[in-house]
Amino acid sequence: AQSVTQPDIHITVSEGASLELRCNYSYGATPYLFWYVQSPGQGLQLLLKYFSGDTLVQGIKGFEAEFKRSQSSFNLRKPSVHWSDAAEYFCAVGPYGAGNNRKLIWGLGTSLAVNP
Amino acid sequence: NAGVTQTPKFQVLKTGQSMTLQCAQDMNHNSMYWYRQDPGMGLRLIYYSASEGTTDKGEVPNGYNVSRLNKREFSLRLESAAPSQTSVYFCASRISPGEQFFGPGTRLTVL
Repeated sequence: AQSVTQPDIHITVSEGASLELRCNYSYGATPYLFWYVQSPGQGLQLLLKYFSGDTLVQGIKGFEAEFKRSQSSFNLRKPSVHWSDAAEYFCAVGPYGAGNNRKLIWGLGTSLAVNP
Repeated sequence: NAGVTQTPKFQVLKTGQSMTLQCAQDMNHNSMYWYRQDPGMGLRLIYYSASEGTTDKGEVPNGYNVSRLNKREFSLRLESAAPSQTSVYFCASRISPGEQFFGPGTRLTVL
């Protein structure tokens, strides 16, 4: 069955520290992979995406993620976290469905808190 | 461009009341989605519309109906609200395979 697992429900880091958020997936074909961020009280915003090619992808706000096919992972990283990075982060995989009926499989999210 | 807009931003209903959540996008996207977000449950797909005139059920469609009025608008209706429908509702439209653009959400409380 297709699924996305974000093993860490909540993570706290200090400002300036490095960050890695984990995402593991189960998917029958080569996936499209996404990380979205949700700031408090806001909608979701796409951070970065992987469709094909270079397995290290760069996104907005200084984030990057690496696709590792052998580990079925797509972990999100940032070298130095800022207080404004405190948010909920969602990993998603897809699309599944035929034709125009394309949907995403969502992880449950990781809540990031940043200590000053 | 406004992107995806949702109205209202907040709503309080009593059990049994009905209401319609409105969503509109100005990006000429074909596909649109309605999600609900609950603590610890992530995002769950309620309904989606691959194109104007078509709608399909997602994971949690019970208690909801949708209308894809035209390419821009995709509304979600609660015919008889229940406390279990207290949630944050997000509308999204699809930019490319899997890549979705989200609205700001509607925070609904059913008493």
